[in-house]
Amino acid sequence: DTAVSQTPKYLVTQMGNDKSIKCEQNLGHDTMYWYKQDSKKFLKIMFSYNNKELIINETVPNRFSPKSPDKAHLNLHINSLELGDSAVYFCASSQVLAGGITDTQYFGPGTRLTVL
Amino acid sequence: AQTVTQSQPEMSVQEAETVTLSCTYDTSESDYYLFWYKQPPSRQMILVIRQEAYKQQNATENRFSVNFQKAAKSFSLKISDSQLGDAAMYFCAYRSRLIFGQGTTLQVKP
Repeated sequence: DTAVSQTPKYLVTQMGNDKSIKCEQNLGHDTMYWYKQDSKKFLKIMFSYNNKELIINETVPNRFSPKSPDKAHLNLHINSLELGDSAVYFCASSQVLAGGITDTQYFGPGTRLTVL
Repeated sequence: AQTVTQSQPEMSVQEAETVTLSCTYDTSESDYYLFWYKQPPSRQMILVIRQEAYKQQNATENRFSVNFQKAAKSFSLKISDSQLGDAAMYFCAYRSRLIFGQGTTLQVKP
C-alpha cells in the first residue's frame, strides 16, 4: 500500500562514515526527488531524477551522490559524513505533466540522519 | 527565480474556529501549480490542497479552501472548523522544483 517508502527511518553514525538511504515508489511516477530538511524545518531540494536521468542538481557537496537504478528507485549515498549533514532527508515522487508542469509530489516518511 | 514567502512563523486558533494562513510567491511564469502541505509531529509531508494557476475557481477540500489571487501572487489557506488534529507545520509550495515557503506552525487550542 505504501506509496513512497524510505529506509532506514533513523540513521545514527559517526563522522567520516559512508551511508546510504534508499527510496522506492510504487505510484508509477516518472520523477523522484531528494529533499533536506534542516533543524529550522526549512525544506530544500537536493536532486531530481526524471526517467533515471538527473535533471536537478542543486548546490550540494560532491559527497552526496544519488543513484537511480530504475524509475521506481532513487537512492542517496553520502560519503565522509560531516556534523552538518545531520537533518531529515525526504524522498518524493511525482508525474511531470504536459508542458513540464510538476503534478503533486508524494513524500516518503523521511529519514532522520544524526552524525556524531 | 521563483520564491515563496510565508510571513507568519506561528499562528494559533481556537478549536472549531477558522484560521487563514498566508502565502505569497513570485514568478514570471503563467502556468504553474501551488500546493499546501501539512507536516504534523510525525514528520510525514501530507498534501492538503493544490491549485492550478489556470483555474480561476478556488480549490476546496472539505474544511480546507484557498484564496488564490493570481495577479497579486497570493495563495492563502483557510481552515474552517479547526480540529486538534490540524495542529502541524504548514508549507506553501510552488510547482516545478516545488519551492517551499519557510513554514507556519499552527497551534489549535481546545
